[in-house]
Amino acid sequence: GDSVTQMEGPVTLSEEAFLTINCTYTATGYPSLFWYVQYPGEGLQLLLKATKADDKGSNKGFEATYRKETTSFHLEKGSVQVSDSAVYFCALSDINNQGGKLIFGQGTELSVKP
Amino acid sequence: NAGVTQTPKFQVLKTGQSMTLQCAQDMNHEYMSWYRQDPGMGLRLIHYSVGAGITDQGEVPNGYNVSRSTTEDFPLRLLSAAPSQTSVYFCASSYDREWGGELFFGEGSRLTVL
Repeated sequence: GDSVTQMEGPVTLSEEAFLTINCTYTATGYPSLFWYVQYPGEGLQLLLKATKADDKGSNKGFEATYRKETTSFHLEKGSVQVSDSAVYFCALSDINNQGGKLIFGQGTELSVKP
Repeated sequence: NAGVTQTPKFQVLKTGQSMTLQCAQDMNHEYMSWYRQDPGMGLRLIHYSVGAGITDQGEVPNGYNVSRSTTEDFPLRLLSAAPSQTSVYFCASSYDREWGGELFFGEGSRLTVL
């Protein structure tokens, strides 16, 4: 079945460092891909998305490109801030792209130190 | 500006007890779903609904029941709680039929089963 694999955390960076969180997927067909972020004590919220190959999603300085050839959707940010400390989840939509049915990776915790 | 509202936020049960986690959304979303979040496992889909009167099972449905009598509400019932159901539960809703769309999450309900 479809699945998402993320790099293990926790990831600890200093402020202004470059961030990469790897995400690869296995899927039938061409799913939409998402990054969600969960701040401490809160629910998940959408960070960015891409719906077809070679699309680049971006938001709040974060970027990810849908790479069909490598089945990847790595999250990057050029200069992280302490406020970016959170858990990041990569996800894909199911084969029918039905609302409410996403398959999530295990999450990667990011801690940014001043 | 309520979005997705979950109650209760915290609950402690004894093995064998029953309870209902409430979820309501005020965005007129067709799609609603329940996920559980466990350390190292990301979010896993329990049940979902594509509209009032229609529900279906997700990845981990055993031990849980749902119903969708209105567009707004999607309660999750635990009929006989077990320690394996200790988790954080998230309700989510979505509006987009075609590609799955953005999920809007509640703040979560932390359940402990003793």
